[in-house]
Amino acid sequence: EVQLVESGGGLVKPGGSQRLSCVASGFTFSIYSMNWVRQAPGKGLEWVSSVSRNSDYIFYADSVKGRFSISRDNAKNSLYLQMNSLRADDTAVYYCARAPGRGLNYFEDWGQGTLVTVSS
Amino acid sequence: IVLTQSPGTLSLSPGERATLSCRASQSVTSRDLAWYQQKPGQAPRLLIYGASTRATGIPDRFSGSGSGTDFTLTISRLEPEDFAVYYCQQHGDSRAFGGGTKVEIK
Repeated sequence: EVQLVESGGGLVKPGGSQRLSCVASGFTFSIYSMNWVRQAPGKGLEWVSSVSRNSDYIFYADSVKGRFSISRDNAKNSLYLQMNSLRADDTAVYYCARAPGRGLNYFEDWGQGTLVTVSS
Repeated sequence: IVLTQSPGTLSLSPGERATLSCRASQSVTSRDLAWYQQKPGQAPRLLIYGASTRATGIPDRFSGSGSGTDFTLTISRLEPEDFAVYYCQQHGDSRAFGGGTKVEIK
């Protein structure tokens, strides 16, 4: 059974930093593209960032470019999102999601999400 | 690519047919269009990818169609568990989501 478990959410002040983690199990982590998707309270889905299976290709939404950094550790079956210079509009549930990769960027499986609240 | 979903809300009864629209601001190459279902408090679930291929375990009452800039998700007969919010997504380079359509019980 595929499992994606996010952690690291919480309350952070504007301008602060937070690091999210996602631990994967039930599949061969190293052959999948991994992604972060977020959802602000009561709003729709927003893709945030993607990393290819070997970390050769990394992409960011314009809204987070220069502030967020995605990474992965295939030996630990883990995905990370380092979030810096956080703003109120970054408040959202952050989901970890896997995709087939190689240009196929649909999200086959999702974690349960972790809530990040940016507020003073 | 900007994806516009319509209607914003669809009010239907169980057993009725639901037709959801997703329109892209430019042509979607290779029919790279996915649909997701999201229920309150839950993560989204992949329903359709490649515009018309059902994901594993998705009932055949869900079908996707379309190409170019116009895509449709059809639920042939609504079951009680189908009342939810549905999102389309361009799963090529942009990875953009549409704003969602809520299917609610009439």
